[in-house]
Amino acid sequence: ETGVTQTPRHLVMGMTNKKSLKCEQHLGHNAMYWYKQSAKKPLELMFVYNFKEQTENNSVPSRFSPECPNSSHLFLHLHTLQPEDSALYLCASSQDLNEQYFGPGTRLTVT
Amino acid sequence: AQKITQTQPGMFVQEKEAVTLDCTYDTSDQSYGLFWYKQPSSGEMIFLIYQGSYDEQNATEGRYSLNFQKARKSANLVISASQLGDSAMYFCAMREGLYNQGGKLIFGQGTELSVKP
Repeated sequence: ETGVTQTPRHLVMGMTNKKSLKCEQHLGHNAMYWYKQSAKKPLELMFVYNFKEQTENNSVPSRFSPECPNSSHLFLHLHTLQPEDSALYLCASSQDLNEQYFGPGTRLTVT
Repeated sequence: AQKITQTQPGMFVQEKEAVTLDCTYDTSDQSYGLFWYKQPSSGEMIFLIYQGSYDEQNATEGRYSLNFQKARKSANLVISASQLGDSAMYFCAMREGLYNQGGKLIFGQGTELSVKP
């Protein structure tokens, strides 16, 4: 596979469930990002990882827990989410300060 | 304060014509980068074009060009010879400063472009 992939593409979960989103990049980049895109709102940066180290946490609630085991993989662990967390979650990667390449996103619905 | 402003929620353009999507930004940094992304209905964000704050020439990538006016703090995207496949949401984004560990992008609200046959 090439580029940035995300699984699953669609996820419906209850407020008491625990699930994880996965992102994988095949571009050899050293930085990875999680963004949240809600309807009618600009993209919101959630987390930044560079060389597996978290360098940005944009005041994200603790019910979202990121994990970056290596430079190619990024996870977002979800637990006890709220309906307002329903959104498109986009993963991106970049090499240093250059343009970010995005995955197709996971459309999350919390019921 | 809003850092990136896209004042056109929706735009229509006739196929084969050119269209300009507006973007203004606000920053006190001297070093910054400006980006445009396209998001089709499938959801994926596709990188289109980049302009650095120190670049003297306007960036161009195929049918895309960025009209960079530093004094006005504007970075408009021009799409020439519009195609039906250009129908999508378009986002302007800015990266402030020089970060040693990844670049934080700030996105505008987006403009929905519809190309008419």
